[in-house]
Amino acid sequence: QSVLTQPPSVSAAPGQKVTISCSGSSSNIGNNYVSWYQQLPGTAPKLLIYENNKRPSGIPDRFSGSKSGTSATLGITGLQTGDEADYYCGTWDSSLSAGNVVFGGGTKLTVL
Amino acid sequence: QVQLQESGPGLVKPSETLSLTCAVSGYSISSGYYWGWIRQPPGKGLEWIGSIYHSGSTYYNPSLKSRVTISVDTSKNQFSLKLSSVTAADTAVYYCARDRRGAWFDPWGQGTLVTVSS
Repeated sequence: QSVLTQPPSVSAAPGQKVTISCSGSSSNIGNNYVSWYQQLPGTAPKLLIYENNKRPSGIPDRFSGSKSGTSATLGITGLQTGDEADYYCGTWDSSLSAGNVVFGGGTKLTVL
Repeated sequence: QVQLQESGPGLVKPSETLSLTCAVSGYSISSGYYWGWIRQPPGKGLEWIGSIYHSGSTYYNPSLKSRVTISVDTSKNQFSLKLSSVTAADTAVYYCARDRRGAWFDPWGQGTLVTVSS
């Protein structure tokens, strides 16, 4: 059971838009930056979004991030078949005295 | 361009210690950032293990802390993971990554599969 809750799967047609949610609490998303990662089949995760809504160099602006309260959202527009992947959100969680890095359970994106 | 490469045994016996090393190229570990380990059991999600600063300062996942040791060798520009008393539940792909103190991880190594089995 992950501390951050993501839908197991989402799907949309090529060219369409999709959003992936990541729900947490005040001890994690509510008071810390959120990052998003794309994991293509058989490869390592890749940073897509950091500090809630910033894109690293080389990430197309089809990918966007937002945060409101204790939830965050990844948006992907102009879907391509190459976007089929697992997507994970991550953040810092301070519910324990030592703190902890936590990830969502992941969302599998299918481009129909 | 920063690159990370994991190395170590792909098979470890139950109750023994898993040892992995992450070699960093294109960036000096001593220049800053934390450096972390994340694992992914087959077909499952990501789990952060712990991270280290070039000074040797560490922070660990509380659920693994009693079994984890992360160390750094700045002269070789690499850092290492030791996980003791392993069981089948520790079978996973182990990734190393540059860590912005828990805020984000980038880039990641390609990962290495470690299987715990007798």
